[in-house]
Amino acid sequence: DAGVTQSPTHLIKTRGQQVTLRCSPKSGHDTVSWYQQALGQGPQFIFQYYEEEERQRGNFPDRFSGHQFPNYSSELNVNALLLGDSALYLCASSLGVFGGPAGYTFGSGTRLTVV
Amino acid sequence: AQKVTQAQTEISVVEKEDVTLDCVYETRDTTYYLFWYKQPPSGELVFLIRRNSFDEQNEISGRYSWNFQKSTSSFNFTITASQVVDSAVYFCALSEGVKTSYDKVIFGPGTSLSVIP
Repeated sequence: DAGVTQSPTHLIKTRGQQVTLRCSPKSGHDTVSWYQQALGQGPQFIFQYYEEEERQRGNFPDRFSGHQFPNYSSELNVNALLLGDSALYLCASSLGVFGGPAGYTFGSGTRLTVV
Repeated sequence: AQKVTQAQTEISVVEKEDVTLDCVYETRDTTYYLFWYKQPPSGELVFLIRRNSFDEQNEISGRYSWNFQKSTSSFNFTITASQVVDSAVYFCALSEGVKTSYDKVIFGPGTSLSVIP
């Protein structure tokens, strides 16, 4: 049973460019959450998608946007990249949104470096 | 506002020693979940435990145990007889989304544990 799959594993972009990160949830899961983890820090919540809609958002600017497809996979888009966007981006999937997570399943992340 | 504090940035222990990782949280809600996650060098966050705010029973799972005390807003994690494979960054986390349709997990800054052979 495949867990959460994220692509690409590593990515290097130039400041000002745009980037798209992809996530396939664990089989049977329908909710995807995205987190940003800067080096040496805990993951920070970006947003959560359920039923192809953004349900909740953390303190991130509009440069961060996302999408969820009918097959529950998701994309994270970041426009006008800044050096400070360099981080590990983690995708987590879960089943439903009611009652709190029974423990998200996390992917291994995409390491984004902005130069 | 919700917040999770892990005062220990780095801990080193010799194999077979016991080690306790501290976690203190802040929340205005009476209903919430607390978690511990492990992040090995591979980067993937591994779920260890979830505890809801109404269940203050301590829990033991093999060499792992958790002590939840609402009176001090703490949810500490103890590894007994540590092993080299326990070396990782450990995150304590809090979710207040129990009453709503959506959940958001707030992570602490993490504690890096090194177990020396």
